[in-house]
Formats: sequence, C-alpha cells, structure tokens
Amino acid sequence: NAGVTQTPKFQVLKTGQSMTLQCAQDMNHEYMSWYRQDPGMGLRLIHYSVGAGITDQGEVPNGYNVSRSTTEDFPLRLLSAAPSQTSVYFCASSTPGPPYEQYFGPGTRLTVT
Amino acid sequence: GQQVMQIPQYQHVQEGEDFTTYCNSSTTLSNIQWYKQRPGGHPVFLIQLVKSGEVKKQKRLTFQFGEAKKNSSLHITATQTTDVGTYFCAGPFIQGAQKLVFGQGTRLTINP
Repeated sequence: NAGVTQTPKFQVLKTGQSMTLQCAQDMNHEYMSWYRQDPGMGLRLIHYSVGAGITDQGEVPNGYNVSRSTTEDFPLRLLSAAPSQTSVYFCASSTPGPPYEQYFGPGTRLTVT
Repeated sequence: GQQVMQIPQYQHVQEGEDFTTYCNSSTTLSNIQWYKQRPGGHPVFLIQLVKSGEVKKQKRLTFQFGEAKKNSSLHITATQTTDVGTYFCAGPFIQGAQKLVFGQGTRLTINP
C-alpha cells in the first residue's frame, strides 16, 4: 500500500493563478480531508468528505474548492491564489471506525508570490 | 466555535529530562487523539483516548485524558533525540465525528 500520496511536493504560484493539489489513497477509506499548516497555527481543516459525491466545509474553506468523484481521489483547487494561501497543505484519510486514525500524506509546500 | 488549546508552544530540554505538553478544550470531547510530526515530515497518529480519566502508556510516553474529558496531557520520560518534533492533540468537532480540530502543537527540541 502506498497510503496517502500527494502531488506536487512543492509549488510556486503567482497571485491570481489557479491550480489543483492532488491527493489519492489506496486504503479504501471513505473519510478524507484537507488541512493547511501555518507556523504557530497547528493544522486547520479546509474541506472534508465522508464519501464519494459528498463534501463539506471545514474551518477555513474560503478560496478553495474540492470534489470527490471516487473513493480514492480528493483534489483541492485553489481558484485564484493569494499570498495568504502560502502554506503547507496536508491531505489525510481516516479509518472507518474507532479510533478514526488519520493517515496523512507527505504534504505540498505552496508559495504564492 | 470549538477550540483546542495546547501549551507550551515550544519546549527545549536536555536529553534525559522529562517533557509534558497539555491540551485543553473549550467543550467536552468524546475522545482525544495525539499525533507526532517530525521536522519536515507529516503528522503521525500516536494514540486515541476515549474514557474519562484514561491513562495509556507507550514505552516512555504516558497519555492522560481528564476526568471531565476537557483536557489531556502527554508526558515523555527521559527524552531521547528521537523524540524531537511537534506534538499535536486533536478532538472531534462533533461528538463521535471524524472531523478533527487540532491544537496549535508543542514543538520539542532536545540538546544532546
């Protein structure tokens, strides 16, 4: 099992550009989520999905879109990048039952100039 | 909204000293999870606590869940350089849900 994979590892965008961060998991987990990590802020939930076709907002959803057409994939779209979106982005999937352990991908480090 | 506060934000110790990080929630939690993130890495699940007053041990790590299920702690005995990293606690937004709110984390550095 590859677990949770994310691409790209690093990305530099100019303000106003759009892009998609890719996330895939091969553990057949229904629950997937996106977090951003900023210094001193911990991990903040952007969007999450409880299964294919179902998504919902987390704490900081503005400026981001998600879709979930398959169990395996959960891409995160930045619609019009802003410097405030400079961050490290983690995708995670969770086991279906207790302890609901979250498996994190390796992260994407995004810089918006 | 629901908040999970973690202290201290940073802790520097000499190798062999003990280390403790504390986690406090603004609401009662159905469970609490702990994660460790090595420098440059991604968070890795350590443990989940569910019961009021629960204490669990993993080698030199001791995890506690408060009686009121609003606070938790992680204690490391006799730190080693492999313990370096940031430790996060996380609780569910809604009772029993997988949607988590994370504390800000405690970054542990160790002088060998």
